[in-house]
Amino acid sequence: AQSVTQLDSHVSVSEGTPVLLRCNYSSSYSPSLFWYVQHPNKGLQLLLKYTSAATLVKGINGFEAEFKKSETSFHLTKPSAHMSDAAEYFCVVGRGPGGGNKLTFGTGTQLKVEL
Amino acid sequence: EPEVTQTPSHQVTQMGQEVILRCVPISNHLYFYWYRQILGQKVEFLVSFYNNEISEKSEIFDDQFSVERPDGSNFTLKIRSTKLEDSAMYFCASRSGWNQPQHFGDGTRLSIL
Repeated sequence: AQSVTQLDSHVSVSEGTPVLLRCNYSSSYSPSLFWYVQHPNKGLQLLLKYTSAATLVKGINGFEAEFKKSETSFHLTKPSAHMSDAAEYFCVVGRGPGGGNKLTFGTGTQLKVEL
Repeated sequence: EPEVTQTPSHQVTQMGQEVILRCVPISNHLYFYWYRQILGQKVEFLVSFYNNEISEKSEIFDDQFSVERPDGSNFTLKIRSTKLEDSAMYFCASRSGWNQPQHFGDGTRLSIL
């Protein structure tokens, strides 16, 4: 069994300040973890993935995430937010190196970036 | 960059009617998926398809649902007799190999009246 908890449904930051979106996971096997982003009226775009290699994972657009097994966390960070980062972000868990067949999604975090 | 393409972007259907949602996965991909997101809820897995057969399905994917890859490029989801609760955003996804991540389309918003 696998599940994901995104701790914040909404996060608001000022442009140029750091972003932290929190995610905790539960899995009965070694998980693969992903962050996907959804801009308004668009599909789900893969930001980054963890599949049991390096625990610090770098993704697109300056985002990165750190897999911490002891804390069962996979928080998403970015040093400096841009207006274009405003979107909904989903933490996702799966099984196997590519996530397996069945991805399990969190409830999403809506990121707002203010001037 | 190659994309998963879904049509139509919005489908409105009367309750009880059949509906077919269409997807064109990325061309060299071998694994295909449907997910749905009811408004205000999580994205949920429906079904996975590989080598011309269903490899896994959720409890949501009952006898009213079917999937097909009718040719080398399309992947379809059919709902035989739609219900009000089928109203949702439906996402198609594909991937090239077992160790690769899934890539999603923009979704089809299905509205049942």
